[in-house]
Amino acid sequence: AQTVTQSQPEMSVQEAETVTLSCTYDTSENNYYLFWYKQPPSRQMILVIRQEAYKQQNATENRFSVNFQKAAKSFSLKISDSQLGDTAMYFCAFMKAGNNRKLIWGLGTSLAVNP
Amino acid sequence: EPEVTQTPSHQVTQMGQEVILRCVPISNHLYFYWYRQILGQKVEFLVSFYNNEISEKSEIFDDQFSVERPDGSNFTLKIRSTKLEDSAMYFCASSVEAGSFYSNQPQHFGDGTRLSIL
Repeated sequence: AQTVTQSQPEMSVQEAETVTLSCTYDTSENNYYLFWYKQPPSRQMILVIRQEAYKQQNATENRFSVNFQKAAKSFSLKISDSQLGDTAMYFCAFMKAGNNRKLIWGLGTSLAVNP
Repeated sequence: EPEVTQTPSHQVTQMGQEVILRCVPISNHLYFYWYRQILGQKVEFLVSFYNNEISEKSEIFDDQFSVERPDGSNFTLKIRSTKLEDSAMYFCASSVEAGSFYSNQPQHFGDGTRLSIL
């Protein structure tokens, strides 16, 4: 069975600084997808970034980037130039490739961006 | 941008009562899901639905749970006889645009329904 671990329950960062959220996972699968979702106080789960396991290149979306280390089963999220609106819960999630499309979630990291 | 919508935002129900949570997935999506998040715990997968039938369900999704797509737009989760431990945030999601390459498409979530069982 797959598991996802986020070892940082809470983090804080100063506005305009960079912060890295960690995520590790366990799987015997070779083909899978990894996601970071953001859940602001408004509750909606919003996709931040995704990574296909078969791609060696790390995904990047504007200020958000990942460090995907397949051998180490690590998938960290880096937020550059942090903004107040980045304050939210961040969830790491795993999905096997194929028809089984359920997401397996980490416990989340609460990120506070301070002015 | 199309959104997944869920109603109600908050539902309070007496233990033992039936409750129906409603979701309108994104209109051209093919896969639908329910997840729940008990306060302070992980988001947990409940069920996925494709082509008008359940494609996968978790151990949580026992006989008291059911899902239905009664028309072309709604996707509902029914809990037949609620228990205190059903209190949680319930999220609906949808994914995979019709006619697209589906493997890497993310799930789009609604705002959730907070279910409180008294």
